[in-house]
Amino acid sequence: KAGVTQTPRYLIKTRGQQVTLSCSPISGHRSVSWYQQTPGQGLQFLFEYFSETQRNKGNFPGRFSGRQFSNSRSEMNVSTLELGDSALYLCASSLNVFSYNEQFFGPGTRLTVL
Amino acid sequence: DQQVKQNSPSLSVQEGRISILNCDYTNSMFDYFLWYKKYPAEGPTFLISISSIKDKNEDGRFTVFLNKSAKHLSLHIVPSQPGDSAVYFCAASAIVQGAQKLVFGQGTRLTINP
Repeated sequence: KAGVTQTPRYLIKTRGQQVTLSCSPISGHRSVSWYQQTPGQGLQFLFEYFSETQRNKGNFPGRFSGRQFSNSRSEMNVSTLELGDSALYLCASSLNVFSYNEQFFGPGTRLTVL
Repeated sequence: DQQVKQNSPSLSVQEGRISILNCDYTNSMFDYFLWYKKYPAEGPTFLISISSIKDKNEDGRFTVFLNKSAKHLSLHIVPSQPGDSAVYFCAASAIVQGAQKLVFGQGTRLTINP
């Protein structure tokens, strides 16, 4: 069974640009969550999608948005990039919403904003 | 406002000895706690969890202890092995206004020395 895949793995952007990250969950998983990992802050929850609907949202500005498609694949978009957006962005999938002990993470996308 | 704190950024332990990783939380609404392990270039993997109705949960070499009155949990690894070298995150969850909230600590880098 293939794991969670994220593309691209590495990305370099400049301030003011926008970026779209992609996440393909494990086959059969309908919930996808996104996290931002930065040194000193650990993992911070961005949002969770289930059946194409956002079910949960963290405390991030509106520049961070996401969506989920009918095949459960999810995308995350960050507009007007800032230097502080440089981080590892992780997505995780699970069968159902709130199943955190059955959540599988992808390897992440390393975003660098110059 | 860091609701889940791992005050030790790093920990070094001799192979075969006990590793103890600590985590403190401030929100008494948290009712489920999890530990994740993360290797470089990989996403976190779920390790062990504990519900607030318990004070101990054991899985092989890993044991999690919960002290609700002190709002403190710890992960014990006995005996420690070189493959345990990784970053460990604790996380806490609660239902807040109908939505699940999952908060991570900053992580502790564990190094097992041969």
